[in-house]
Parts: sequence; C-alpha cells; structure tokens
Amino acid sequence: EIVLTQSPGTLSLSPGERATLSCRASQSVSNNYVAWYQQRPGQAPRLLIYAASTRASGIPDRFSGSGSGTDFTLTISRLEPEDFAVYFCQQYGNSHPFGGGTKVEIK
Amino acid sequence: QEQLVESGGGVVQPGRSLRLSCAASEFTFNNYAIHWVRQAPGKGLEWVSATSSDGTYKYYTDSVKGRFTTSRDDSKNTLYLQMNSLRPEDTAMYYCARSVIRGLWYFDLWGRGTLVTVSS
Repeated sequence: EIVLTQSPGTLSLSPGERATLSCRASQSVSNNYVAWYQQRPGQAPRLLIYAASTRASGIPDRFSGSGSGTDFTLTISRLEPEDFAVYFCQQYGNSHPFGGGTKVEIK
Repeated sequence: QEQLVESGGGVVQPGRSLRLSCAASEFTFNNYAIHWVRQAPGKGLEWVSATSSDGTYKYYTDSVKGRFTTSRDDSKNTLYLQMNSLRPEDTAMYYCARSVIRGLWYFDLWGRGTLVTVSS
C-alpha cells in the first residue's frame, strides 16, 4: 500500500505569505490521483484539489496543486486569515490513504 | 444546498454496538457512492468504508471487517453504519462523504461528523 508523507508537520507563516506544502508518496501515484483537503478547527474536511492540480468547485485561485509521480505540492499564494488550518493529501488510485497532515499556523 | 448530516454517535462500552446514520439532502442520493471516514482525536483521517451507489458493492478497511457493515435506504436518502464489537481504538469522529466518480475515491462533499467514544 502507498504511504503518503506530508511535510513539514507545522508551517508558521504570516497572512499574505506564500505557503508550500509537500506530499511525498512511497511509490508512484497512478494518473496523479492526488487530492488535497483543508480542515479548519472543529469542521469537516473540504476538498480543495483533485487530480493533483484541478481546483474543486468554489475554491479560490490562490490555491494551486502541482506534481507528478511521487512528489506533490499544494501552494497557497497569499495566506488569508481563513487559510490557517490543517491540510491533508490523499491518494485515490489503487488505494486511498491520507497523509498525516500539515498544520499551517499563524506566526 | 447539497448536504450530508451524520447522527447516532455517543459513548458506548467496549464490545457493544452502535448505528450511525448519514442523511443526504438536495442531491440525487442514489447516484453516488458514500463513504465513512474517521478521525481519532488529534489524529489524521482514515477511510473506513465505501458503499456503491446501488448498495451492491461494499468495502471496508481491514481493521473493521467483520465488525462494521453498511446499508442504504434510498427512500430515506440515508446510509447506515452498523458498528458491532466496538473497541477503544474505534473512538473517533465519523464523517460520511461522497465520491463523485465511480472507482475514484476522492470526496467532494462531507458531513460535519458524529463522535463515537468507546470507553468503559
């Protein structure tokens, strides 16, 4: 089974800064079937990105996804106050594990 | 707006049973596979089960096989998760979620969750 490792565990940034989150798979992900979710405290996860780089409906364009093979990245171009949250990646090719998450916190 | 709402969580002793419900509204329920995903306190997300749009196919993570089962009632737009022989490690927030494309299990709609605590 593919294992997803997210880094860093915590990212301390200020509003307006750029956030770069990494998700590394233990083996190549078929068809780049990687999704990213945002989870704010006390809330359910929210789909941001699927197929590695396709934004879900209603997601602002400051969120972008990239990568292929085993290395995937979620970038938030300019952090808004509501973006401070935990972000999970997920592989949904031949299995569907989630990564351990990256917390983006206010510096 | 499209919505999933979970209910049925609570505190239960080890070895006992609990049934969770996931009620859908404002979308055609029987067009979608529905999943349960759980999150232990302070931990990450763990996929638990999937039920196909017609209820024919059901899949479970290894740790719940033989203990958890799902069923659909399309007349009520509701999916149920019957959890038997509960263990302390089943303690988690349980979310139901919808996948859009057959065989591609990423989740575009989630409920707010229901908390299950297994403790003596």
